[in-house]
Amino acid sequence: GENVEQHPSTLSVQEGDSAVIKCTYSDSASNYFPWYKQELGKRPQLIIDIRSNVGEKKDQRIAVTLNKTAKHFSLHITETQPEDSAVYFCAAGNEKLTFGTGTRLTIIP
Amino acid sequence: KAGVTQTPRYLIKTRGQQVTLSCSPISGHRSVSWYQQTPGQGLQFLFEYFSETQRNKGNFPGRFSGRQFSNSRSEMNVSTLELGDSALYLCASSLEDGPYEQYFGPGTRLTVT
Repeated sequence: GENVEQHPSTLSVQEGDSAVIKCTYSDSASNYFPWYKQELGKRPQLIIDIRSNVGEKKDQRIAVTLNKTAKHFSLHITETQPEDSAVYFCAAGNEKLTFGTGTRLTIIP
Repeated sequence: KAGVTQTPRYLIKTRGQQVTLSCSPISGHRSVSWYQQTPGQGLQFLFEYFSETQRNKGNFPGRFSGRQFSNSRSEMNVSTLELGDSALYLCASSLEDGPYEQYFGPGTRLTVT
């Protein structure tokens, strides 16, 4: 089955700087790669996703890149703000999603 | 549209008991997936239902089961509860099955004592 590894597990970034979270996956059949943000005590929220026929997707301060050959994809957050502090999960799949173990992002004011 | 709802939000059960959790998807969504979230294991896929049929299943014992009704609402059942079943159970709905955007409910926090 699919195996998704996510790094780093914790990340502290100065407000205004950029944050990058990386994931690798094992199943070449995976064709959908969403990213979720989960604030403390709340449900995971879909923030951006990418499909295997696209290499990069951007939505304001958030971007995701996908390298199918290397089987890795990354989340980039620019101009970080305190409200970006949360746990971020990557996922990969085809018929079902396999999630990474999460990255706790802390923005330092 | 109203979001995904789950009931109950909190539940305390004793080892050996069984429990049923409910999930109402976003109107028009036909697929419901269930996940177990624990601090150590992250989000683990339990199963997915689409048009009342289980389409995919994760690596959980047979004590975990589910079903989906004709209105797309879904229930999951855990029998013979164990302490290790304590977790946040999340359901997510999507428009279709396969690689579509999934939207999560608030979860049911199950504590087994």
